[in-house]
Amino acid sequence: AQRVTQPEKLLSVFKGAPVELKCNYSYSGSPELFWYVQYSRQRLQLLLRHISRESIKGFTADLNKGETSFHLKKPFAQEEDSAMYYCALSFSGNTGKLIFGQGTTLQVKP
Amino acid sequence: KAGVTQTPRYLIKTRGQQVTLSCSPISGHRSVSWYQQTPGQGLQFLFEYFSETQRNKGNFPGRFSGRQFSNSRSEMNVSTLELGDSALYLCASSLVPGGGNTIYFGEGSWLTVV
Repeated sequence: AQRVTQPEKLLSVFKGAPVELKCNYSYSGSPELFWYVQYSRQRLQLLLRHISRESIKGFTADLNKGETSFHLKKPFAQEEDSAMYYCALSFSGNTGKLIFGQGTTLQVKP
Repeated sequence: KAGVTQTPRYLIKTRGQQVTLSCSPISGHRSVSWYQQTPGQGLQFLFEYFSETQRNKGNFPGRFSGRQFSNSRSEMNVSTLELGDSALYLCASSLVPGGGNTIYFGEGSWLTVV
């Protein structure tokens, strides 16, 4: 069955420290992977997707098909990065269905 | 450009009642999907609509239903409410399903069943 796992419920770091939010998935086909972020009192929004291979707000994520992982990284955390982060998987083909991980709360301390 | 709009934002219902939630997608978006968010289960896919047709359905009982209208607006209905249906219900829209199209979420409808 398709599954997305985020092993950490809470990740707490100090400002300026590197951040890595882990995401592992299980899917037999060719997945599309995404990271969504939800800041306090705001709606869920797309942070980045693997097919774009872009860096948004200093965050990057690389799809590792061998390890079935899509970890989110940032070299220097900022306080404004504090939020809930969700890793999500979409199936190949014409569907908008997303399978979400349980989410990781990132807390960046001053 | 207005985002995905969901109404009502908050509501309280009694067990056994039914509820209808509404979603207006971003103008021009024809694909709408619904998710249930709870502290215990996280974000779970309910259903997906495109061109008034249900394309995918999640693993929820038949009490959960939805529809999409010709103007792409969507509604979801939950009948015979149970306490466990208390959740944040999120609607999301995209131009068309899949193809790397960005999915935009609404702020959600908070449902409390008492």
